[in-house]
Amino acid sequence: NAGVTQTPKFQVLKTGQSMTLQCAQDMNHEYMSWYRQDPGMGLRLIHYSVGAGITDQGEVPNGYNVSRSTTEDFPLRLLSAAPSQTSVYFCAIRTGTGNYGYTFGSGTRLTVV
Amino acid sequence: GNSVTQMEGPVTLSEEAFLTINCTYTATGYPSLFWYVQYPGEGLQLLLKATKADDKGSNKGFEATYRKETTSFHLEKGSVQVSDSAVYFCALTSGGSNYKLTFGKGTLLTVNP
Repeated sequence: NAGVTQTPKFQVLKTGQSMTLQCAQDMNHEYMSWYRQDPGMGLRLIHYSVGAGITDQGEVPNGYNVSRSTTEDFPLRLLSAAPSQTSVYFCAIRTGTGNYGYTFGSGTRLTVV
Repeated sequence: GNSVTQMEGPVTLSEEAFLTINCTYTATGYPSLFWYVQYPGEGLQLLLKATKADDKGSNKGFEATYRKETTSFHLEKGSVQVSDSAVYFCALTSGGSNYKLTFGKGTLLTVNP
């Protein structure tokens, strides 16, 4: 998954704690997004951004905040973690224009206890 | 809104068997269609895609044809290998939501020697 770096790879939080999942890209692509993957649910879009300073909600935004101050970074913040946020989180960028595709990071496995 | 329905797994096959994973979709406009693969413990990788009706995407022996009349994009492979064991996701982008990937729930494929 060259070009999209997610950190950390694993994290355990206690209910009510906060944390930030990091996503960085080095390919200067405008579109970045966050998905969560849960068993039997596929991947669901949390938030996305079409450029620095522009963000919008996806399908399941509640409990998550994002900001996009630079083209390179798109962090996902959990302000008060809940067990329902236990999931695997993927950051994705959209590459290309007419013949576009999506490149995913390697994921962050988050457990909230 | 957009939606993707793919056959539920798990699917278990013997090596060299023929594989079909069904995928149908509902979308506004003219969607682009994708198949992603997720190997154990890894992120998602693009397997193949098709951007207009009757296009055939192919990669690594896998094929899928964009059928507008049946709103389908079934994944096929003539002879599976143990190394094909993974979760397969059908996905689309469409209309004003060209930035947003909508996923099916995924199909787990296990290939036995």
